[in-house]
Amino acid sequence: AAGVIQSPRHLIKEKRETATLKCYPIPRHDTVYWYQQGPGQDPQFLISFYEKMQSDKGSIPDRFSAQQFSDYHSELNMSSLELGDSALYFCASSLVELGTGLEDTQYFGPGTRLTVL
Amino acid sequence: AQSVAQPEDQVNVAEGNPLTVKCTYSVSGNPYLFWYVQYPNRGLQFLLKYITGDNLVKGSYGFEAEFNKSQTSFHLKKPSALVSDSALYFCAVPPTGFQKLVFGTGTRLLVSP
Repeated sequence: AAGVIQSPRHLIKEKRETATLKCYPIPRHDTVYWYQQGPGQDPQFLISFYEKMQSDKGSIPDRFSAQQFSDYHSELNMSSLELGDSALYFCASSLVELGTGLEDTQYFGPGTRLTVL
Repeated sequence: AQSVAQPEDQVNVAEGNPLTVKCTYSVSGNPYLFWYVQYPNRGLQFLLKYITGDNLVKGSYGFEAEFNKSQTSFHLKKPSALVSDSALYFCAVPPTGFQKLVFGTGTRLLVSP
């Protein structure tokens, strides 16, 4: 079965540079979530999109922005990178269950490991 | 606020023995509870979820979890551990309905040969 695709898998940037992470959800899934997992930490929710509209926002820095495109893929843009942004960034996707308005199980991609030097 | 707690940072078990990874929850109303597993350098893989119905939930790779309302627990279990089960296990809960997930701190499972 098709899974969530994230690119790139690894990214190395310098401080103050910009990074763009891409996420391709499971086909027919309409909701995308972004999470950040620091070293030895549990994943922390950043932002989510449902049908190309932002549906929820977590502890996402103002330096970060994201969007979901017409083909449902999503991009996380990170500017003015700081050393503390080094982490594993996960994208997950789910499908809103018809008639319930509830999102089904979230399925995660393999993550993008961002290293800021 | 909805939350889950994993009281053990690490669980050690010998191959072939039963394993339990603990999770307790603090949720108002009916809880939705999830277990995910993270292997080194890989993403989170869905194992199982509790929505409603039977208290014993069966999931992937032979894992199961028991929902216990009186003890507010959702422990992950497997009758016979494999070395390949060694990984990081996260319990999770969506604060509202199915939306964003809030994770526990994770439990590292080490299965020795």
